Amino acid sequence: AQSVTQLDSQVPVFEEAPVELRCNYSSSVSVYLFWYVQYPNQGLQLLLKYLSGSTLVKGINGFEAEFNKSQTSFHLRKPSVHISDTAEYFCAVRPINTGNQFYFGTGTSLTVIP
Amino acid sequence: EAGVVQSPRYKIIEKKQPVAFWCNPISGHNTLYWYLQNLGQGPELLIRYENEEAVDDSQLPKDRFSAERLKGVDSTLKIQPAELGDSAVYLCASSSTSGRTDTQYFGPGTRLTVL
Repeated sequence: AQSVTQLDSQVPVFEEAPVELRCNYSSSVSVYLFWYVQYPNQGLQLLLKYLSGSTLVKGINGFEAEFNKSQTSFHLRKPSVHISDTAEYFCAVRPINTGNQFYFGTGTSLTVIP
Repeated sequence: EAGVVQSPRYKIIEKKQPVAFWCNPISGHNTLYWYLQNLGQGPELLIRYENEEAVDDSQLPKDRFSAERLKGVDSTLKIQPAELGDSAVYLCASSSTSGRTDTQYFGPGTRLTVL
């Protein structure tokens, strides 16, 4: 069975400060890992993904994430946030070779304070 | 390339009425998903299609929900009759099992309000 835990439901941060959104997962098989962003009244948009190779993955809008297999984590980071980064962020996993099924966390609401 | 298209974007109905949502996936994507998203929550899978076959519908409340994907392209999700607790956003997503895309692409969703 798979599960995704996003430890922080809400993260307020001042503009131009760094931010880290935490994601831990549990899976009996190897997984692909994803971060999505959702702006108000919109669908989810892919930020970045880890499939294989380098554990540090860079995505759009200056975000990056690091896969840590031993800690089963995939934390999302940005060194300097903008007001426009205010949104909901979802971590997701897809088990490898067990079908095209995705499992989502409950989301982290990032609020950037001017 | 057009993204995943959903309609309507918003729907308000009274309880016990029927409602239907439509989704057109990205061209060439053989996998289509319907998700339910409650306020402040992540997407929860309702049903997943591989081409025209529903391969995972274990979370679909079959007493009132139904879905179809004729010809393996666009899809319709129906609720009949709707209940107050069905108020949520219904998201459609698609992906391709060919190549190494391994990524879902989401539509904008349909926000359903049941009064």
